[in-house]
Amino acid sequence: GDSVTQMEGPVTLSEEAFLTINCTYTATGYPSLFWYVQYPGEGLQLLLKATKADDKGSNKGFEATYRKETTSFHLEKGSVQVSDSAVYFCALSQSGGYNKLIFGAGTRLAVHP
Amino acid sequence: DTGVSQDPRHKITKRGQNVTFRCDPISEHNRLYWYRQTLGQGPEFLTYFQNEAQLEKSRLLSDRFSAERPKGSFSTLEIQRTEQGDSAMYLCASSLDKGSSGNTIYFGEGSWLTVV
Repeated sequence: GDSVTQMEGPVTLSEEAFLTINCTYTATGYPSLFWYVQYPGEGLQLLLKATKADDKGSNKGFEATYRKETTSFHLEKGSVQVSDSAVYFCALSQSGGYNKLIFGAGTRLAVHP
Repeated sequence: DTGVSQDPRHKITKRGQNVTFRCDPISEHNRLYWYRQTLGQGPEFLTYFQNEAQLEKSRLLSDRFSAERPKGSFSTLEIQRTEQGDSAMYLCASSLDKGSSGNTIYFGEGSWLTVV
């Protein structure tokens, strides 16, 4: 079945460092790909998405490119802030369906001043 | 647009008791989802409604679990005879079907269940 694999955390960075969180997927067809973020004590928020190969999703300085050849959707940010500390989830949903999301296990990011 | 709201936010119950969670989706969203999230894991799909029809249930949803969306608006998730393994956060989400892939799904803040 479809699945999503994320790099294990926690990822600990200093403020202004470069961030990469790896995400790879296994799926049939052409799924849509998402990054969700969960801040402490809050629910999931959509961070960005891409619906077809080579699309780049971007939001709040974060970006990720849908790479079908490597089945990847790595999350990047050029300069992280303390306020970016959260858990990041990569997810996919199959096209043509009702958009059920399949999530990775999440990667915790801790940014220190 | 007040977002997806869930109630209660936290519930502590004794093993064997029944609990019910309520979800109010974003108005006019015709799709509603329930997910379960345990510590250190990503959310797992439980069930999905299109308007009032429950169209899919995960094998995670045992016979002790029942979900309803009687008028195609709010939804309830009931867990009967709770077990310690039911302790988790139960997330509700909703979306508007625009007939295309990649529709954005909006999540509520979740209902934490602790079974003691």
